[in-house]
Amino acid sequence: DAKTTQPNSMESNEEEPVHLPCNHSTISGTDYIHWYRQLPSQGPEYVIHGLTSNVNNRMASLAIAEDRKSSTLILHRATLRDAAVYYCILRDPGRTYKYIFGTGTRLKVLA
Amino acid sequence: DTGVSQDPRHKITKRGQNVTFRCDPISEHNRLYWYRQTLGQGPEFLTYFQNEAQLEKSRLLSDRFSAERPKGSFSTLEIQRTEQGDSAMYLCASSLGLRPGLAGGGTRTDTQYFGPGTRLTVL
Repeated sequence: DAKTTQPNSMESNEEEPVHLPCNHSTISGTDYIHWYRQLPSQGPEYVIHGLTSNVNNRMASLAIAEDRKSSTLILHRATLRDAAVYYCILRDPGRTYKYIFGTGTRLKVLA
Repeated sequence: DTGVSQDPRHKITKRGQNVTFRCDPISEHNRLYWYRQTLGQGPEFLTYFQNEAQLEKSRLLSDRFSAERPKGSFSTLEIQRTEQGDSAMYLCASSLGLRPGLAGGGTRTDTQYFGPGTRLTVL
């Protein structure tokens, strides 16, 4: 399974944009990039996913490098409620059912 | 609420006792997953059902663990003779399953949706 590398922690000021990086240099052509976040004492929450093109939804944007070896989750205006652990996960839905989580990035949002 | 639900949310038990957790997936989802999460770590996959069939089990799932999904709807996870090392958050997720030929990223990638988890403490 391809692995992802994320910083252990990041800080951001409230109402400022946050860019959460993820490296996945061994990604295969059929791996989708998924992002989840986990708020304290809750289950992981789906944020966004993509394959090759940049993606936007109401929660965030996902910028995928042209060579697909890295991606960035963008929160356009961080709020205190965005403080969570963010996981970047690779998965080929045609090959495996499960997600393989790493330790993620703990985002701290400063008021 | 149409999300994944889990019961109980918290369970405290003594070492050696048996415990059972329940997961109710999103109603139209035919795939169901169990994960375990210990403090400071990401969730780890335990097992997977497609409808009522258990198709994959992690080696993390020792003989003391058993999971069922008898009618392809809700699922139970039982731990027999609990040990202190079983203390963790047990997470359930569900997904719609792949539907070839349909548009839409969520369906094609079989995105999983998680419940709130059951926190088990073994004393």
